Amino acid sequence: AQSVTQPDIHITVSEGASLELRCNYSYGATPYLFWYVQSPGQGLQLLLKYFSGDTLVQGIKGFEAEFKRSQSSFNLRKPSVHWSDAAEYFCAVGFSGGGADGLTFGKGTHLIIQP
Amino acid sequence: DAGVIQSPRHEVTEMGQEVTLRCKPISGHDYLFWYRQTMMRGLELLIYFNNNVPIDDSGMPEDRFSAKMPNASFSTLKIQPSEPRDSAVYFCASSFSVYEQYFGPGTRLTVT
Repeated sequence: AQSVTQPDIHITVSEGASLELRCNYSYGATPYLFWYVQSPGQGLQLLLKYFSGDTLVQGIKGFEAEFKRSQSSFNLRKPSVHWSDAAEYFCAVGFSGGGADGLTFGKGTHLIIQP
Repeated sequence: DAGVIQSPRHEVTEMGQEVTLRCKPISGHDYLFWYRQTMMRGLELLIYFNNNVPIDDSGMPEDRFSAKMPNASFSTLKIQPSEPRDSAVYFCASSFSVYEQYFGPGTRLTVT
């Protein structure tokens, strides 16, 4: 069965510093990959997605992610974080176009921003 | 578009009572998903529909849970009878064809 691993439960970053959140997946074929962000008490907002093509994808709020097939990874990056980026981040994998199948989510990474 | 709409946003009920959660997907979307989020298990898919037809309900925990989609603009998730271990945040999401899913704000259910 497919699985998604986010190895970091919590990450603390100083405001203005760069960020990288890790995500690894387990699946035999190329999956469809997503990053969602959840602010406290809110639903999930899509940050970016990878379906095919260029392995470096740009998202909203200045985030980007890179798909590395050899490492089965889809890490999320941001060059300079803002206090408003503090939230829970979820990596997710879909296997039938992403929207035509249930997503498998990682456990999430809680991002804390230090002033 | 108003996005995916869920109601109620919060529900507190006593063990044994029936609970009904509601979802209105984004207009034009043909897939609808129900997820449950808990601290212990994270986000889990419960069931999803395509063109109002249930496709995969293997994530539904037990027979106390049921979901319906009587038309393209409305779905319900029902728990009868409810138990304290059902306490969680329940999310509805919708998508158009194979594209990305959009999530509602969730319903926080507390069963005492």
